[in-house]
Amino acid sequence: AQSVAQPEDQVNVAEGNPLTVKCTYSVSGNPYLFWYVQYPNRGLQFLLKYITGDNLVKGSYGFEAEFNKSQTSFHLKKPSALVSDSALYFCAVRATFGNEKLTFGTGTRLTIIP
Amino acid sequence: AAGVIQSPRHLIKEKRETATLKCYPIPRHDTVYWYQQGPGQDPQFLISFYEKMQSDKGSIPDRFSAQQFSDYHSELNMSSLELGDSALYFCASSFEGAGANVLTFGAGSRLTVL
Repeated sequence: AQSVAQPEDQVNVAEGNPLTVKCTYSVSGNPYLFWYVQYPNRGLQFLLKYITGDNLVKGSYGFEAEFNKSQTSFHLKKPSALVSDSALYFCAVRATFGNEKLTFGTGTRLTIIP
Repeated sequence: AAGVIQSPRHLIKEKRETATLKCYPIPRHDTVYWYQQGPGQDPQFLISFYEKMQSDKGSIPDRFSAQQFSDYHSELNMSSLELGDSALYFCASSFEGAGANVLTFGAGSRLTVL
């Protein structure tokens, strides 16, 4: 079975500082990894994905994530946080074979403090 | 660009009633997924369809059923509603034919059971 762990329910960062939202995963074989963001009363918006290739992937709104196979991690990062980045962030994993479902972590609420 | 359309956006039902949610995937997407997100919870996979056939099943109660029609739209039918069914229900679609693809989510249907 595949699973995702987001160890922090809440992350607070001062505006302008770098931010990191942590994610580790468990899956059979190689993973496909994703980050989604959810604003209040809204759907899930895709930020970025890792499929293969370069371990550092860049996504929307200046976010990036680094795939680390040995640590089974896929942490989300941004060099300089904006107040508008405040939202709920979900890490997700799916196996690379078949029409596998996406399994989400429990989410991390990111609050950027002005 | 066309997105995933869900209707209704909000639905209020009494216990033991029936509800039907509709999902219209992005044109040419071949896979539809249904997720349930309870208050403060991560999205939980319910069921998916690939080319109108059920492809995977998650934690979907027996009281729920779903299907995908010839025009690729999907419906989630929920009977004998319980208070615990109150949640945000997301539909997502993807084009699996090209492999490893991003699920695009709709804005969700919020079901409240009184």
